[in-house]
Amino acid sequence: KAGVTQTPRYLIKTRGQQVTLSCSPISGHRSVSWYQQTPGQGLQFLFEYFSETQRNKGNFPGRFSGRQFSNSRSEMNVSTLELGDSALYLCASSLGGFYTEAFFGQGTRLTVV
Amino acid sequence: GENVEQHPSTLSVQEGDSAVIKCTYSDSASNYFPWYKQELGKRPQLIIDIRSNVGEKKDQRIAVTLNKTAKHFSLHITETQPEDSAVYFCAASRGIYNQGGKLIFGQGTELSVKP
Repeated sequence: KAGVTQTPRYLIKTRGQQVTLSCSPISGHRSVSWYQQTPGQGLQFLFEYFSETQRNKGNFPGRFSGRQFSNSRSEMNVSTLELGDSALYLCASSLGGFYTEAFFGQGTRLTVV
Repeated sequence: GENVEQHPSTLSVQEGDSAVIKCTYSDSASNYFPWYKQELGKRPQLIIDIRSNVGEKKDQRIAVTLNKTAKHFSLHITETQPEDSAVYFCAASRGIYNQGGKLIFGQGTELSVKP
């Protein structure tokens, strides 16, 4: 079956702009989580959506937001971009139940200049 | 808050040797501990996981041990091969129904296996 797909793969944006990233989960998966990966901070949890509702949230400012659609596809939005937002953004999908494996997408590399 | 500490940050071994990576977690409610391998330029992939009601789990050359009392878990790779070279991440989560999608990751260990 198809894996987790993220689009676009690469983005270059200017400070102050906003950006939207997309994640299509594995068919049948209802949970989509987002992570920020940077060399200095590792993988940091942003938020999780399950059945169109935000179920968990990490410690990121309100400039980071997301949503999930009825087909479980999820989008993440970052407004008023800062240089420090440059990172690899990974999404992961899972069934969303007990002890379920998270499958990661290949990520979107965001560069803010 | 929730935190996972991972050591060492880099590890270099000779082919055939064993490698051990250690993690400590802070949230006593954590009960699910997966390990992910990320090769250069690729996505993280699950290699093994353990639940809190189990002390040890093995899968061929890979094993994970868990000490809930000490809030400590470790990854053991035996007979290392060059293809084991990658960054390894430990993670912890509350494996209950509405918390399973939140993984707290360690900082990662870059393992290099020299032929």
